[in-house]
Amino acid sequence: NAGVMQNPRHLVRRRGQEARLRCSPMKGHSHVYWYRQLPEEGLKFMVYLQKENIIDESGMPKERFSAEFPKEGPSILRIQQVVRGDSAAYFCASSPSGKGVLELFFGEGSRLTVL
Amino acid sequence: RKEVEQDPGPFNVPEGATVAFNCTYSNSASQSFFWYRQDCRKEPKLLMSVYSSGNEDGRFTAQLNRASQYISLLIRDSKLSDSATYLCAVNNAGNNRKLIWGLGTSLAVNP
Repeated sequence: NAGVMQNPRHLVRRRGQEARLRCSPMKGHSHVYWYRQLPEEGLKFMVYLQKENIIDESGMPKERFSAEFPKEGPSILRIQQVVRGDSAAYFCASSPSGKGVLELFFGEGSRLTVL
Repeated sequence: RKEVEQDPGPFNVPEGATVAFNCTYSNSASQSFFWYRQDCRKEPKLLMSVYSSGNEDGRFTAQLNRASQYISLLIRDSKLSDSATYLCAVNNAGNNRKLIWGLGTSLAVNP
């Protein structure tokens, strides 16, 4: 049973380019979460999605960032016109459905470097 | 005051020692609590959920103190492989599935 799969593991972009990060949840999990972790900082919640729906995007910057979880295929976190401050590790996590079930299983992360 | 606070450490302990970490939270309505372990440049991995009555998994014991709003993690008979950063996570009240994370406590177990 494969775990949470993220790709790419490492991504280098120049300022102004777009970054697309993909996440396939664990089999049977219908909830996907994106977190950002900066060096020496904690995990910061960005967005929570279920299939085809954004449930909570309170942690997403209002501009340049978007997320989706289509009916078919992985969840995608998209960052447009990247800036140096976007350099971070972006972790995706998934959890099974069920009220109150909050145990998260993380992917290995995508490390974005903006030059 | 931060929503979830941890002593960053580092805690340096010899093999075989017992070490304990605390994590305080500010929202008294929080209902779900977790300890995760994160190795350097790796993803967080769930160590254990924390239940009201306290729970134990091998050398690890987790406890919840609602009155003082903190959770604790006790590691007995420390191993070199326990060296990592330990993160606590607490949910918001209600059915909100958003977890709030502490910055982590760094543990180094020395031979």
